[in-house]
Amino acid sequence: QKEVEQDPGPLSVPEGAIVSLNCTYSNSAFQYFMWYRQYSRKGPELLMYTYSSGNKEDGRFTAQVDKSSKYISLFIRDSQPSDSATYLCAMRGSQGAQKLVFGQGTRLTINP
Amino acid sequence: KAGVTQTPRYLIKTRGQQVTLSCSPISGHRSVSWYQQTPGQGLQFLFEYFSETQRNKGNFPGRFSGRQFSNSRSEMNVSTLELGDSALYLCASSLEASLRTGELFFGEGSRLTVL
Repeated sequence: QKEVEQDPGPLSVPEGAIVSLNCTYSNSAFQYFMWYRQYSRKGPELLMYTYSSGNKEDGRFTAQVDKSSKYISLFIRDSQPSDSATYLCAMRGSQGAQKLVFGQGTRLTINP
Repeated sequence: KAGVTQTPRYLIKTRGQQVTLSCSPISGHRSVSWYQQTPGQGLQFLFEYFSETQRNKGNFPGRFSGRQFSNSRSEMNVSTLELGDSALYLCASSLEASLRTGELFFGEGSRLTVL
């Protein structure tokens, strides 16, 4: 079993829809949780970062972490065709700052 | 400000050969890490360097090695290539101060195909 599980999709929704992306994890030592976005033929770029449990909002994006359930989510409101990309959850413990454990990534398409 | 630069972008090798990939981090970034991305396994951590010292290593065989130079540029080497080494190899750099946020700046990767 992988440390981080993420449904690879693909996920296809109409423009303007609310998108929900999720990851579950098994390692209770994880404390830092991130969402990266990767466009085709590009490297991942950081979207959201959350420390421990809680919510964080940035524009149309909201990240949620529930450590008790070992479950993290990313919500995208008013989705746009430019949001079409692969979304990767990532997490790490307190040590090994660059040693991130990534989910498989969910391929998302927003249809105009 | 230039981003993370990786060379070469694409390369084709045959089994048994070796390959060296290069990464130039963002100016001022002293921490560099390498990841392997495949359709089946996703992104997997290879190793991390800071000030020419390897700080962390992932669960890859000894055929995978790396180093960092005094100017923070980094190289990774894969010897005795196997078909399963075909992947996108991503380099990421970060400011030491940003490590708390997990903000890694990734390059566009080097796509290796092993025939």
